[in-house]
Amino acid sequence: AQTVTQSQPEMSVQEAETVTLSCTYDTSESDYYLFWYKQPPSRQMILVIRQEAYKQQNATENRFSVNFQKAAKSFSLKISDSQLGDAAMYFCAPGGNDMRFGAGTRLTVKP
Amino acid sequence: NAGVTQTPKFQVLKTGQSMTLQCAQDMNHEYMSWYRQDPGMGLRLIHYSVGAGITDQGEVPNGYNVSRSTTEDFPLRLLSAAPSQTSVYFCASSRVGGKLFFGSGTQLSVL
Repeated sequence: AQTVTQSQPEMSVQEAETVTLSCTYDTSESDYYLFWYKQPPSRQMILVIRQEAYKQQNATENRFSVNFQKAAKSFSLKISDSQLGDAAMYFCAPGGNDMRFGAGTRLTVKP
Repeated sequence: NAGVTQTPKFQVLKTGQSMTLQCAQDMNHEYMSWYRQDPGMGLRLIHYSVGAGITDQGEVPNGYNVSRSTTEDFPLRLLSAAPSQTSVYFCASSRVGGKLFFGSGTQLSVL
C-alpha cells in the first residue's frame, strides 16, 4: 500500500511568479509512475504532468515541471509564470495498481 | 469517444437503502477504480480492478462491493447506506501506467 503526503494544505503565489508544491510518498513497488492532477471548482480532474519512476530526467510540460528524487521518495511540482487559471486544488498521485492521492494543496493566484 | 460514463450524477438515499453506481468505459482500459472525495479532501481509493474478474480493496472498502465481469463495466454497490457515505464518488480508468480518465462524478447524499 502507498501513502502520500502533501504537507502544504494551502499555497499562494503572485501572478507571473513561481511556486513549488511538495509531495512525498512511500511505496514498496519498484516500477511505478507519478502524476500531478489539478482539480478546479468544476470538480473535473485534469492531468498536469506525468513522470516515469525509472527515468532520471525530470518531466516538463510547458510551465510545469517536477523535481523527482526517487531515493528520497519526493515528487514536487514547480509552476512557473503562474496564471490566474492555475488556481485550483492540486493532487499528487504515485501510481501503481492501487493509485492513491495526497490530501491536496489549494493554490491561490493573486493578480 | 464517450470515455468514462458514470451514472447517476446525483442521488439521495435513506439510511439502510442499497444502490449501485454504474461506471462504463469504452477505451479498453485494463485498470478501473472507484474513489470517494469528501469536502475539502483528496480522493480516497475504495476498490480497484486490474482486469475482468479481478478486484481488490483500496483504502476505504468497508460498506462497498464491486465486480468486474467485463472489461467495460465496473459497478459500485452500496450495501446498506449510512450518512458517513455521503460524498462525491468518482470512477476512473486507465491503461497500466497511463493517466487516469475520470467520470464526471456522483454526488451522493445519505439522510
